[in-house]
Amino acid sequence: NAGVTQTPKFRVLKTGQSMTLLCAQDMNHEYMYWYRQDPGMGLRLIHYSVGEGTTAKGEVPDGYNVSRLKKQNFLLGLESAAPSQTSVYFCASSWTGGNEQFFGPGTRLTVL
Amino acid sequence: GQQVMQIPQYQHVQEGEDFTTYCNSSTTLSNIQWYKQRPGGHPVFLIQLVKSGEVKKQKRLTFQFGEAKKNSSLHITATQTTDVGTYFCAGRGSGGSNYKLTFGKGTLLTVNP
Repeated sequence: NAGVTQTPKFRVLKTGQSMTLLCAQDMNHEYMYWYRQDPGMGLRLIHYSVGEGTTAKGEVPDGYNVSRLKKQNFLLGLESAAPSQTSVYFCASSWTGGNEQFFGPGTRLTVL
Repeated sequence: GQQVMQIPQYQHVQEGEDFTTYCNSSTTLSNIQWYKQRPGGHPVFLIQLVKSGEVKKQKRLTFQFGEAKKNSSLHITATQTTDVGTYFCAGRGSGGSNYKLTFGKGTLLTVNP
């Protein structure tokens, strides 16, 4: 099993560009999450999903959109990237809410 | 909303010294989890505590959950260089929307060999 995978691993964008980060899990987990990690800020929840076709806002959702069309995939979109979105993005999944979360390797995004 | 505070932010120790990080929640938790993130890596689950006053051990690591289920600690005995990383606590609220974990900001542990 690959667990949780994320693509791409690295990306550099210019301000105003758009992109989609892909997260995939092969553990048949219902719950999926997108976090961003900034120095000294820990992990902050952007959006999450409690099942296929559902999404909900987390702590810092502004500037991001998500979709969960298939149970195994959770996409994070940036429609118009800003330098403040420079961060490391982690996807995670779990069987149920509040249980052990399995994290992907992360995507390092730089917005110039 | 729920807040989880973690202290200290940084801790540097000599190899062989003990280390403790503390976690405090603004609200009562249904459970608390601990994760470790190695430098350049991703968070990896260590343990989950559920019961009031619970204590669990993993080799040199001891985890405690407070009686009021609002605080927790992780203690490492006789640190080794392999313990280097950031340790995060993450609390699950006891209210209705318990789909989420709220992470503390983490404690970065460095160990001088």
